[in-house]
Amino acid sequence: EAGVAQSPRYKIIEKRQSVAFWCNPISGHATLYWYQQILGQGPKLLIQFQNNGVVDDSQLPKDRFSAERLKGVDSTLKIQPAKLEDSAVYLCASSWSYGANVLTFGAGSRLTVL
Amino acid sequence: RKEVEQDPGPFNVPEGATVAFNCTYSNSASQSFFWYRQDCRKEPKLLMSVYSSGNEDGRFTAQLNRASQYISLLIRDSKLSDSATYLCVVNSGTSYDKVIFGPGTSLSVIP
Repeated sequence: EAGVAQSPRYKIIEKRQSVAFWCNPISGHATLYWYQQILGQGPKLLIQFQNNGVVDDSQLPKDRFSAERLKGVDSTLKIQPAKLEDSAVYLCASSWSYGANVLTFGAGSRLTVL
Repeated sequence: RKEVEQDPGPFNVPEGATVAFNCTYSNSASQSFFWYRQDCRKEPKLLMSVYSSGNEDGRFTAQLNRASQYISLLIRDSKLSDSATYLCVVNSGTSYDKVIFGPGTSLSVIP
């Protein structure tokens, strides 16, 4: 079974620039998550999709972050404009559905904002 | 109060030691509980689910106390390869089961 694919693995940008991250979940997984993990902290949920609908985006800074999951498969997370405090690893995860399901994570996209 | 709290660590223990991590959660409606392991600069991976009756997987034992809203992880006979950050994970109890991670506890097993 192929895992969760993410790209790019690393990105360095200057503040006020924009960046986009892509995630392709495990085939058949209905639920897709984007987490932000700042160094030394646990992952923080930014947005959760069930198929192509958003079920939770309460911690997504909507003035600068956006995410979509077209056709209920792969997903894109965008930051525009980036701030220094956005430097973090952006982790995508997927699961069969919500409930007592195991999350499988991608390797993450490491963002550095200068 | 944060939704999931863990011992701040770090824990530095010698090989062969027994170490226990504690986690508390704030939402009494939570139904699913897990421990994930995260190696340095890697993604989190499931270590074990936590069941109401407690469960064991080799050297690892997880316990759940719903009344106290408390979860624990016990590692016996620590190995160098156990060095990692251990993340307590709880679902929110909402209809869509938001999955909430604790801040993690760092473990270093020393030769």
